[in-house]
Amino acid sequence: GESVGLHLPTLSVQEGDNSIINCAYSNSASDYFIWYKQESGKGPQFIIDIRSNMDKRQGQRVTVLLNKTVKHLSLQIAATQPGDSAVYFCAEKYSGYSTLTFGKGTMLLVSP
Amino acid sequence: DGGITQSPKYLFRKEGQNVTLSCEQNLNHDAMYWYRQDPGQGLRLIYYSQIVNDFQKGDIAEGYSVSREKKESFPLTVTSAQKNPTAFYLCASSAQGGDEKLFFGSGTQLSVL
Repeated sequence: GESVGLHLPTLSVQEGDNSIINCAYSNSASDYFIWYKQESGKGPQFIIDIRSNMDKRQGQRVTVLLNKTVKHLSLQIAATQPGDSAVYFCAEKYSGYSTLTFGKGTMLLVSP
Repeated sequence: DGGITQSPKYLFRKEGQNVTLSCEQNLNHDAMYWYRQDPGQGLRLIYYSQIVNDFQKGDIAEGYSVSREKKESFPLTVTSAQKNPTAFYLCASSAQGGDEKLFFGSGTQLSVL
């Protein structure tokens, strides 16, 4: 049978809605977090990042929120468009460790 | 245009064969990385290199080999010892080793015949 791991968490929204994608990170020592967008068959593209000394950071149509108390990260996309449909990955970097650790991703589906 | 170029986009491997995936960058970045992506999974680190002529194993290095003879090139060889090679392979670079922001290539899909 199919592995559960083949099924990504999926968020379905209507065009124009605001989207919130959540990510739980694992290490309380992580001091840097980053969000990537990956379209089908392509490499991940940088969206926004945040350091652990901040709670919130805003970009163009996107906002990242960091809650260190519960080790939770979220990506908010305002006025979601069909072109935002993709898989979104969060990644964390432990203080002093030299590479990013990626989460499994969330698929965002935007219908017109 | 500056960026990372991976080739080929699709690659097929026969039983017992070694295959090499190419990754070239013209961003003048010091560090380069190889990740493996399986369907519905996150990215897992295979190997990385922070400087020319040096590289380190990542989380899933078994069955793979790399070289870093030039700053702009970081080829990955999938050896016959890798029993489950079918995956999407992603190369990335960063300005310096330990620099957080990675820039990714467009990937190579490797399949077994």
